[in-house]
Amino acid sequence: GQNIDQPTEMTATEGAIVQINCTYQTSGFNGLFWYQQHAGEAPTFLSYNVLDGLEEKGRFSSFLSRSKGYSYLLLKELQMKDSASYLCAVSRNYGQNFVFGPGTRLSVLP
Amino acid sequence: EAGVAQSPRYKIIEKRQSVAFWCNPISGHATLYWYQQILGQGPKLLIQFQNNGVVDDSQLPKDRFSAERLKGVDSTLKIQPAKLEDSAVYLCASSTRRPTRPNYGYTFGSGTRLTVV
Repeated sequence: GQNIDQPTEMTATEGAIVQINCTYQTSGFNGLFWYQQHAGEAPTFLSYNVLDGLEEKGRFSSFLSRSKGYSYLLLKELQMKDSASYLCAVSRNYGQNFVFGPGTRLSVLP
Repeated sequence: EAGVAQSPRYKIIEKRQSVAFWCNPISGHATLYWYQQILGQGPKLLIQFQNNGVVDDSQLPKDRFSAERLKGVDSTLKIQPAKLEDSAVYLCASSTRRPTRPNYGYTFGSGTRLTVV
């Protein structure tokens, strides 16, 4: 079966750092993706990991451990505009077929 | 580059009625996906097309949902008859088959928000 878990909600303060965890068990693995989704809008691509380790991209970093079925998204210097849902997704075959987690709703407070 | 176009943006129907959604993918994208996103949940894949052929429709409730992509470009998703639990956002996405890392140009449309009353 396919199972992806994330915390339902998180709250953090503007300027702080927050880590959103994701654990997965899927049949097939070809990469782990993080998407950001503001309320009422389409998901937008944030980051991608296919090998173990940390990928850094500006204020956002993503980590993957394939042996543990674990990833996290790290957001630094939080801004109010970072308030959104963050979706963890696993690509099960060569590039294209995603299984999404339930999403983590992040609220950034002043 | 134009994005993935979807219409209508919003739709309200009564249960047991029929409804259809339309999607026009990014030009040149061979793969098209329909997802259902219930409020507070992540998107769930309903059907995946490669050109005009179905690659995966394992989670499509085929007794009431149907989808087609006759010319390998735009696509329609239909629900007939609708149930209350079909209330959700229906997202269309498209991607290229070229190995364009990291995500094959995978792009979502803005979705159609369906409310069944």
